[in-house]
Amino acid sequence: DGGITQSPKYLFRKEGQNVTLSCEQNLNHDAMYWYRQDPGQGLRLIYYSQIVNDFQKGDIAEGYSVSREKKESFPLTVTSAQKNPTAFYLCASSHPSSGNTIYFGEGSWLTVV
Amino acid sequence: SQQGEEDPQALSIQEGENATMNCSYKTSINNLQWYRQNSGRGLVHLILIRSNEREKHSGRLRVTLDTSKKSSSLLITASRAADTASYFCAPYTGTASKLTFGTGTRLQVTL
Repeated sequence: DGGITQSPKYLFRKEGQNVTLSCEQNLNHDAMYWYRQDPGQGLRLIYYSQIVNDFQKGDIAEGYSVSREKKESFPLTVTSAQKNPTAFYLCASSHPSSGNTIYFGEGSWLTVV
Repeated sequence: SQQGEEDPQALSIQEGENATMNCSYKTSINNLQWYRQNSGRGLVHLILIRSNEREKHSGRLRVTLDTSKKSSSLLITASRAADTASYFCAPYTGTASKLTFGTGTRLQVTL
């Protein structure tokens, strides 16, 4: 089935550690996104990528890093510089031909312990 | 890019009633999209309305768009408990523009 796969679903991290969240899509979409959602809140854009080997900062990029070496993959690293990383992270992709309709993964819960 | 602002922030209705939520935005758009998010899940695309459309239907969903007022509304008719979710609007301004989301409307449908 076509879609977006995020892993892991649940992740615990010790303070001071980096952690990488995986996002893979088989929709052949050019654009991919990472959003952060805190409990009861909306989505905030962390990073987005319109094409391979290119990405731009979103509204809350500090403490995060990404790479886009392959069209289908857009991993997010939460670094130790991110002071409050506990949140729900959503990966998404889109294609201009669909009016930029965004397709989301099921999300990853990150908890700092 | 711009984000939409949904109103109300929360809405509680009984099953069988209609639910209406509104969205306002600030600049010209190419289209406007509505999404639903069940608790702890990813967002799911519901419906897209283009800037030259005024109304669109999809099953029990009815979306209107008033570009002169820069606003849109989502109507869910004959609501069901399964409609309980958060609903987000996302104005899309054009090519290479990213979608951003507001805080959404939390809809609670009770039996």
